[in-house]
Amino acid sequence: QSALTQPASVSGSPGQSITISCTGTSNDVGPYNFVSWYQQHPGTAPKLMIFDVYNRPSGVSSRFSGSKSGNTASLTISGLQAEDEADYYCCSLRTGPTWVFGGGTKLTVL
Amino acid sequence: EVQLVESGGSLVQPGGSLRLSCAASGFSFSTYAMTWVRQAPGKGLEWVSAISADSINAYHAEPVKGRFTISRDNSKNTLWLQMNSLRAEDTARYYCARKTSGQNWFDPWGQGTLVTVSS
Repeated sequence: QSALTQPASVSGSPGQSITISCTGTSNDVGPYNFVSWYQQHPGTAPKLMIFDVYNRPSGVSSRFSGSKSGNTASLTISGLQAEDEADYYCCSLRTGPTWVFGGGTKLTVL
Repeated sequence: EVQLVESGGSLVQPGGSLRLSCAASGFSFSTYAMTWVRQAPGKGLEWVSAISADSINAYHAEPVKGRFTISRDNSKNTLWLQMNSLRAEDTARYYCARKTSGQNWFDPWGQGTLVTVSS
């Protein structure tokens, strides 16, 4: 089962905005608005940041936002802060049903 | 406070078996679906298995189908993952996570338990 495609790494300076893409297929990201995003700091469990493409759980900063176009979903972090440095994973429902994650993106705050 | 605590991970030989547990507290366990996600050392997340709140529906990823079985006991607020015919590629930290029934996100996650398959 192929993972969703994410860039291996992205970087940005404090205060800037970055976007992480997540490309799937017509069997997962494309037909469903069921993309979620997770943040994982080293040695800790993943944390839900975005669900159903656009929605933020209570307690997650409004600096985090999600979008989708066709088979590609995106996570945007605005006003980068040092604490945002982490690995980020997208996840989508896939026809089956099963769920599939992206390979992960390492965000570096310069 | 919602809490998920995994246990049961250890070193096991190839071909061996292991049962992981996930003890849930702080929420109505019987009304939520649950899932297992693993992460090999230095690698990304991989969805493994999911089970509905009433245990009627269970799903497994292709790499573990026929070898792993997810189950739960709502009277004990416990989720399990029975892993048989273990392979080196099953080496990973295994996380349990809560999944709201009918929804497609996982929140929260436990801290995970480490499974190492090696001779």
